[in-house]
Formats: sequence, C-alpha cells, structure tokens
Amino acid sequence: AQTVTQSQPEMSVQEAETVTLSCTYDTSENNYYLFWYKQPPSRQMILVIRQEAYKQQNATENRFSVNFQKAAKSFSLKISDSQLGDTAMYFCAFMTDTEKLVFGKGTKLTVNP
Amino acid sequence: DGGITQSPKYLFRKEGQNVTLSCEQNLNHDAMYWYRQDPGQGLRLIYYSQIVNDFQKGDIAEGYSVSREKKESFPLTVTSAQKNPTAFYLCASSRLASDTQYFGPGTRLTVL
Repeated sequence: AQTVTQSQPEMSVQEAETVTLSCTYDTSENNYYLFWYKQPPSRQMILVIRQEAYKQQNATENRFSVNFQKAAKSFSLKISDSQLGDTAMYFCAFMTDTEKLVFGKGTKLTVNP
Repeated sequence: DGGITQSPKYLFRKEGQNVTLSCEQNLNHDAMYWYRQDPGQGLRLIYYSQIVNDFQKGDIAEGYSVSREKKESFPLTVTSAQKNPTAFYLCASSRLASDTQYFGPGTRLTVL
C-alpha cells in the first residue's frame, strides 16, 4: 500500500519569510502524481500544486514551489514571501493511475505578523 | 460559476437515524469521491464513482451508501450502522479517475 508521511505536525513562520514543508512517500510504482493541498480555517481543500513523477522539472505556482527528489521519494513544498493568508493545514497527497489519492496527516502552518 | 457544492454545511443527527449528504458538480467531471476527515487526520476515502450508475467502495465504506444516477450528483447516505459518524465530510470530483481532484466546501455532521 502507498503511504504518505508528513513529519512536521506544526510549523510557524514570520510574514514575508520562506518556509519549507516536508513530505515523503513510499511506492514501488514508477508513474505517479504528487499534490499539495491547502485547507484554511474554512476547511475547503484547495489545490496548491501538482507534480507528475515523469517530469524532472519541479512544479511552481507563484510563491509556491516544490523540491521533488524521486530517488529519495521526497516532495517538499516551499512557500516564499509568506502571507497571513497562507495560514492553513497543508496536506501532501499521492496517486497512481490505478490507486486512489492517499493523503498524509497534514502540517499545520501558522504565519505570524 | 463552475464548481462543487455540498449541502447542508452543518447537519445534526440523532442516533439511529439515516442522513443523506448532497454533492453536486457542474464541471462535467466523470469521477466523484467522498472522503471523511477526523481531527488530526488526513482524508480517508469512503466511496468513489468513475462513471454514472457505477461506484466502488473505498477504505472505510462500512455504514455508508451512495448512488450515482446522474453525472452531476453523488449523494452519500450515512446509515445507523455507522458506529462513529461525527466527522467532516468532503466531496470531490475529477475529469477522469487519474486526474486532479477538486473539492467541495464540506459538510460537518454531528451525532447528538
């Protein structure tokens, strides 16, 4: 079974600084997809970024970027220029073509003014 | 506006009652999903449907039932057989089964 591990239950960062959230996964598949979702206090799950395993280039979306290390099975999320609105739970998730989406337990990020 | 709607936002149930949570999408997505979220936990898959009139059990299907009579709708019934139904329920959809999933705003179910 695929597993996703987020080793940091909580993190905090000062506004305008950079923070990196960690995620590791376990799979024997070669083709898969990785995601970061954000869940703010409203509890709506919002897609932050998606990475296909066959792509060597790390995905970026504005202030959000990933460091995808396939050999190490690591998929960290970097948030640059942190804003108060980035305060949320962040979930790492993993999916293959045949297996459904599997989520980590989440990292609670607080951005302090 | 395209999106996924869930209703109601809050739902209270007495023990022994069945309740149905609504999920509707106008994204023309083929696949739809139901997840349960408990405090301190990630999401766990209850049921999913890749096409109309077909659905499969997820990891925690016991005590739940679904139907998929229309492409846009995927209601979830929480039956009295579900031992601990108090949780936050999220519905999602994707264009195809292996595509990115997009989520609705969720329903908070509380058993009194």
